[in-house]
Amino acid sequence: GQSLEQPSEVTAVEGAIVQINCTYQTSGFYGLSWYQQHDGGAPTFLSYNALDGLEETGRFSSFLSRSDSYGYLLLQELQMKDSASYFCAVSSNDYKLSFGAGTTVTVRA
Amino acid sequence: GAVVSQHPSWVICKSGTSVKIECRSLDFQATTMFWYRQFPKQSLMLMATSNEGSKATYEQGVEKDKFLINHASLTLSTLTVTSAHPEDSSFYICSARDPNDRDPDTQYFGPGTRLTVL
Repeated sequence: GQSLEQPSEVTAVEGAIVQINCTYQTSGFYGLSWYQQHDGGAPTFLSYNALDGLEETGRFSSFLSRSDSYGYLLLQELQMKDSASYFCAVSSNDYKLSFGAGTTVTVRA
Repeated sequence: GAVVSQHPSWVICKSGTSVKIECRSLDFQATTMFWYRQFPKQSLMLMATSNEGSKATYEQGVEKDKFLINHASLTLSTLTVTSAHPEDSSFYICSARDPNDRDPDTQYFGPGTRLTVL
């Protein structure tokens, strides 16, 4: 089976940098994805890492270390609109996604 | 990017009735779609994998006779909650995989359907 761990909540001020860590235990690992979900909305895709290293997409970056079964999502220049839940998810060889419990990010002025 | 729609966005029904939720891939053909359920303040739990032209694959603990899935075309999958009860009230979300995507593992999610069973 799959098991993912991420912090339950993080609070930071506007303009700050937040790092959300995700560790996983899985069989048949293909990649690590990150999704953002605002209250009442559906998840939106942020990033995907299949190989070790850093992927940068604007203010958001994602990192993966396969040997450590670890990844993180980095949110830079935090804005109020970044207040949301962030989920890491592992994809396995049958394209299924297993989600972590989610991290609630609260951005304060 | 790939767009997935769901209909209806919300539904309220009486206990014992059946509810059908549609999931469509709008600008790509999805051989595989997924159905998730999410309770308040919880994570997404995969219910089943819907494969075009074949039977759905259900996750452990999900009753296939209660949650009927049909994937009749490459752009449409439906989930029917049969004989719904209040404990079935939840946020149901579908996703689809675009096999031609740069990262074929990426799933694109529909906007979700909020089901309330009275």
